[in-house]
Amino acid sequence: GQNIDQPTEMTATEGAIVQINCTYQTSGFNGLFWYQQHAGEAPTFLSYNVLDGLEEKGRFSSFLSRSKGYSYLLLKELQMKDSASYLCAVRDQYSSASKIIFGSGTRLSIRP
Amino acid sequence: NAGVTQTPKFRVLKTGQSMTLLCAQDMNHEYMYWYRQDPGMGLRLIHYSVGEGTTAKGEVPDGYNVSRLKKQNFLLGLESAAPSQTSVYFCASRGGTASNQPQHFGDGTRLSIL
Repeated sequence: GQNIDQPTEMTATEGAIVQINCTYQTSGFNGLFWYQQHAGEAPTFLSYNVLDGLEEKGRFSSFLSRSKGYSYLLLKELQMKDSASYLCAVRDQYSSASKIIFGSGTRLSIRP
Repeated sequence: NAGVTQTPKFRVLKTGQSMTLLCAQDMNHEYMYWYRQDPGMGLRLIHYSVGEGTTAKGEVPDGYNVSRLKKQNFLLGLESAAPSQTSVYFCASRGGTASNQPQHFGDGTRLSIL
């Protein structure tokens, strides 16, 4: 079956670094996305990984290991505005009509 | 830029009533999706479309119907609303065939069924 696991909640301190993990088991794999979702708002795209390794975008980085079915999102120099839910999503097939499966999200709280 | 627009933003229905949620995108995207988001369950795919005139079932299609008569619009219908359909509904669109194309989401429709 299809399964994506993330921690439900995490707390971190302003200015620190936090790593949000995601493990997945899907019938196929054609890329992994991370989205940010502030409370009451729409998800917004953060990053995409399809090959093993680290992708860096400013304060945010995302890592993928396809052999382990594992990804993480790394947030550096945390700011209060980073308090949000972070959604891991996997594209499960190579066809253009492939669906994207979402995890339940990790709610990150930043304390001063 | 409008992006993805959902109408209405809020709605309260009584059990058994019907309604249609409208999603419109102005990015000429081929692919459109309807999700529902419930506490602790993440985004679950209801139906999706890979182009004008096509629709397909997602994970949780029961109780919903969809239509994609025009490329820019994707309609989600509830024929006979049930309390279990109380949720936040998100529409998304995606352009191109490249695998790295992300989905763009609307602001959501908050639907309560009494």
